[in-house]
Amino acid sequence: GQQVMQIPQYQHVQEGEDFTTYCNSSTTLSNIQWYKQRPGGHPVFLIQLVKSGEVKKQKRLTFQFGEAKKNSSLHITATQTTDVGTYFCAAAGGTSYGKLTFGQGTILTVHP
Amino acid sequence: EAGVAQSPRYKIIEKRQSVAFWCNPISGHATLYWYQQILGQGPKLLIQFQNNGVVDDSQLPKDRFSAERLKGVDSTLKIQPAKLEDSAVYLCASSLLRSSYNEQFFGPGTRLTVL
Repeated sequence: GQQVMQIPQYQHVQEGEDFTTYCNSSTTLSNIQWYKQRPGGHPVFLIQLVKSGEVKKQKRLTFQFGEAKKNSSLHITATQTTDVGTYFCAAAGGTSYGKLTFGQGTILTVHP
Repeated sequence: EAGVAQSPRYKIIEKRQSVAFWCNPISGHATLYWYQQILGQGPKLLIQFQNNGVVDDSQLPKDRFSAERLKGVDSTLKIQPAKLEDSAVYLCASSLLRSSYNEQFFGPGTRLTVL
């Protein structure tokens, strides 16, 4: 089955520092979604990327989809304590109709 | 708009016992998913329904897990008998359509502890 690798597994930052998590697949993806899960909560949809080289921004969050559609990244500028949580990428392969494979997630802690 | 509802929120059982989880998706959502999330890992898809039909159950341990979605709305996931390694959060999610381009809305999950 499709595998999605996400790094790093953990990231500890001081408030105000930047944060980046990376998602990699060995196969070409049709689309990729990003979710955030707060401690004790459930995954919440953030954004979807579909086009090669696509870049989307949501306030301090920047999402990128690689040119080859095999990798993606999420970058947070000037982290805040409200950014704490686990960030998951969820990828759909070319033959996966409606099926998302989640990465293991990156746990972000922000020290005030 | 009401979100995805799940019950119970917590369940503690002993190994070899059986357990059932219930999910009510967002009204009008045709596709329903059950995920297993083990501590420290991402959600793993167990089964996907389109209306009341199964479209993917390739990762469902069918010797002990079963799921149904009668009438294409509510769904139940059952484990019988439970093993220690079944301890996890079981998440139900729904989406408007079957396509992977649709965002998935997750319920609060059921935390299962098997002793």
